[in-house]
Amino acid sequence: GQNIDQPTEMTATEGAIVQINCTYQTSGFNGLFWYQQHAGEAPTFLSYNVLDGLEEKGRFSSFLSRSKGYSYLLLKELQMKDSASYLCALFNQAGTALIFGKGTTLSVSS
Amino acid sequence: EPEVTQTPSHQVTQMGQEVILRCVPISNHLYFYWYRQILGQKVEFLVSFYNNEISEKSEIFDDQFSVERPDGSNFTLKIRSTKLEDSAMYFCASSAGTGLYEQYFGPGTRLTVT
Repeated sequence: GQNIDQPTEMTATEGAIVQINCTYQTSGFNGLFWYQQHAGEAPTFLSYNVLDGLEEKGRFSSFLSRSKGYSYLLLKELQMKDSASYLCALFNQAGTALIFGKGTTLSVSS
Repeated sequence: EPEVTQTPSHQVTQMGQEVILRCVPISNHLYFYWYRQILGQKVEFLVSFYNNEISEKSEIFDDQFSVERPDGSNFTLKIRSTKLEDSAMYFCASSAGTGLYEQYFGPGTRLTVT
C-alpha cells in the first residue's frame, strides 16, 4: 500500500519563500508528483521527481529523497495567485494511477 | 494548448438514477482515467483505461460503475444507481503514456445526488 502525509495548512506572505513537505511510504516507488489545485478547479501538474535531488522549474522547485521517503515543494517569490492546495502524489506500482495525499492549503497574504 | 473537456459541468440527479459523465481526452493521448473528489477530501483514483479495456481500478470502482470509449473521442463514466455518497467532483484525465507521463485533468463534473 501507499501512504502520504502533508501538513494541512500553511500561511505565507507575498514575496516570501515557502516549503511544503511531503512524507510517504510505498512498497514500490515509481515517481512523485506535485499538483496545484485552486478551489473548485482541477489539479494542474507542477513537477515530478523520480531520482533523488532537486528539480527546478521557474519559481517552483521540488526535491526528493527516496531513502527518507521525503519530498518538498519550494515556492519562491510568492504571489497572491499561489494561494491554492498543493497535492503530493505517488504513482502506484503499476504506474497506472496517481495516489494523492490530502493536500496542503497555502494562503498567501499581502 | 490541447485540453481535456468534460460535460456537464454540474449534474443533479436523484438517488437510484443512472448518470453518464462525459469526457473528451486530448486527441493523441492513449491512457484515460477517472478520479473523484468528495468535497473537502482528497482526490481519489477510480479507474484507468487503455486500448479499450480497464487497466486498473480501485476499490471504489465497484459494479455500479462502468467506463466506455464509445467512439474515437469520448470517454464516459456511468454510475448505474446513484447513492448519496456518490456526490463528488469527478475528474477525467488523460496521458500520452504511463509512468512518468503527465496526466492532464479536465475541469470536472460536479455530481450532486439528492
